[in-house]
Amino acid sequence: GEDVEQSLFLSVREGDSSVINCTYTDSSSTYLYWYKQEPGAGLQLLTYIFSNMDMKQDQRLTVLLNKKDKHLSLRIADTQTGDSAIYFCAESFPGNTPLVFGKGTRLSVIA
Amino acid sequence: EAQVTQNPRYLITVTGKKLTVTCSQNMNHEYMSWYRQDPGLGLRQIYYSMNVEVTDKGDVPEGYKVSRKEKRNFPLILESPSPNQTSLYFCASSPGPGKSGKLFFGSGTQLSVL
Repeated sequence: GEDVEQSLFLSVREGDSSVINCTYTDSSSTYLYWYKQEPGAGLQLLTYIFSNMDMKQDQRLTVLLNKKDKHLSLRIADTQTGDSAIYFCAESFPGNTPLVFGKGTRLSVIA
Repeated sequence: EAQVTQNPRYLITVTGKKLTVTCSQNMNHEYMSWYRQDPGLGLRQIYYSMNVEVTDKGDVPEGYKVSRKEKRNFPLILESPSPNQTSLYFCASSPGPGKSGKLFFGSGTQLSVL
């Protein structure tokens, strides 16, 4: 079955770059997503990438997809304290199969 | 404003006392879903609904019921809550997982079962 793995914690200094990694097992995914959960809130869609793309950039965010290795990463440039949150990767599949989420990576930004 | 509204935000109850957590969306989305979030386990899907009167079990449906009588509402029912259902619950909606994985989440319901 589908499985999405992420490391649970990441700590970075303010102003540095953060890289959050995700691996998945099912190569039939259509899109891969990054969701952000701030303290006390629900998840919000941060960005996503179509499965036949390698990279997507959106301001401070860069998503890299290596389909061969089934590896997805989210790079946050110039990390700020407001970026402290839990980040979930997720993949979708053709048809009506629900999204599969990873367990989330808690990013702590040290001032 | 486009949103998913859950109520209540916090709920403390006792074992065996039936409760309902409401969820409503104003985006005319076909797909709605319930998740629970537990430390170290991430998000686990409880039930989902592709459209009105269509519901399906997710990964952890035991002890829960849902209904989808109208497009906008998708209540989660715990007929006889137990302490292992203490968790943070999220409702979410999207135009449809086959059309978009862009889920919109509610703010969550923190449930404690004593």
